[in-house]
Amino acid sequence: QKEVEQDPGPLSVPEGAIVSLNCTYSNSAFQYFMWYRQYSRKGPELLMYTYSSGNKEDGRFTAQVDKSSKYISLFIRDSQPSDSATYLCAMSVVAGGGNKLTFGTGTQLKVEL
Amino acid sequence: GAVVSQHPSRVICKSGTSVKIECRSLDFQATTMFWYRQFPKKSLMLMATSNEGSKATYEQGVEKDKFLINHASLTLSTLTVTSAHPEDSSFYICSARDFTKETQYFGPGTRLLVL
Repeated sequence: QKEVEQDPGPLSVPEGAIVSLNCTYSNSAFQYFMWYRQYSRKGPELLMYTYSSGNKEDGRFTAQVDKSSKYISLFIRDSQPSDSATYLCAMSVVAGGGNKLTFGTGTQLKVEL
Repeated sequence: GAVVSQHPSRVICKSGTSVKIECRSLDFQATTMFWYRQFPKKSLMLMATSNEGSKATYEQGVEKDKFLINHASLTLSTLTVTSAHPEDSSFYICSARDFTKETQYFGPGTRLLVL
């Protein structure tokens, strides 16, 4: 069993839709959770960083963490074609900056006009 | 957000040659940098952790003599793929830790093609 599971998609939604992206994990030691967006042939870009259960909002993005269920989500409101990318969840045991990140496989999202 | 650059962005080389990839943190000091490899439609695979002024820590299965890492300053780490073979063709991405923040920032990646 992989430490982090993520549906690879592809996920196709119409413009304006609410998108829900999810990851589950098996290692209860993970404490820090991140979402990255990666456009084709580019490096990942940090979108959200959380370390506690609950919701964290930043513009159209909301990150949700449920440590009891070992489940994290990223919601994108009013999705735009420019949101089309691969979204990677990542997590670490301690503060993510200086420690190994374990990534999900990424979910490919396409927002259509 | 913080900026991390990589050079070159893409490189084509002949089998048996060595290729050096640079990773720079442009607006912050990075005591730790990470090197990843990514295959098409796959997630990032951590190759090694590079600490400024000390030897890199390699992940299991990564040949340290083939993938030489040097982290000579707080803003520069290099990855040298020695005696490259076609199976080394991949997308190599570095990240740098901003120790003032609890996260890593990624470079744009280097696409290596070994003929």
